Amino acid sequence: GENVEQHPSTLSVQEGDSAVIKCTYSDSASNYFPWYKQELGKRPQLIIDIRSNVGEKKDQRIAVTLNKTAKHFSLHITETQPEDSAVYFCAASNQGGKLIFGQGTELSVKP
Amino acid sequence: DAGVIQSPRHEVTEMGQEVTLRCKPISGHNSLFWYRQTMMRGLELLIYFNNNVPIDDSGMPEDRFSAKMPNASFSTLKIQPSEPRDSAVYFCASSWSGQGDQPQHFGDGTRLSIL
Repeated sequence: GENVEQHPSTLSVQEGDSAVIKCTYSDSASNYFPWYKQELGKRPQLIIDIRSNVGEKKDQRIAVTLNKTAKHFSLHITETQPEDSAVYFCAASNQGGKLIFGQGTELSVKP
Repeated sequence: DAGVIQSPRHEVTEMGQEVTLRCKPISGHNSLFWYRQTMMRGLELLIYFNNNVPIDDSGMPEDRFSAKMPNASFSTLKIQPSEPRDSAVYFCASSWSGQGDQPQHFGDGTRLSIL
């Protein structure tokens, strides 16, 4: 079955620095790649997504890149702020309708 | 616009009891997903429905778990009998596409503790 690997599992950065989280997927048929942010005790919330016909997408301080050949995609957060501290999940979907989640990255932004 | 609504938010019950979790998807969404989240196993898809029909229940752990979607506005996840290892946060999510290429919106979850 499809597998999504996410790295690193924990990431600590200083406020104002950039943070990068990477994911790889196994199913070449995957065509939709969302990223979710989950604060402690809260629900996962979609922050950005990218489809297989696009290589890069940006929304203010957040960007996602996709390399279909290598089957990996990354989340980039610039000018990090303490409120960016949370667990971030990548996911890959295919036309079967399922989302396969990565294991999560706990991001800590230190003031 | 109301999001996905789950109830109860918290449930504490004794081992062996029946547990029923409820979910109301976003109006107009035709796909509904049940997930379980634990520290050890992360986010696991248990089952999902498209147009009220179960499409994939391969994630359901065992026969003690069952899920229904009698109409487009309501779904239940039932555990009978419950066991301590079922303790987890259970999330329901919905999407307006069964093709897997649209965002899934999560409810606030049910935190389940089996004593």
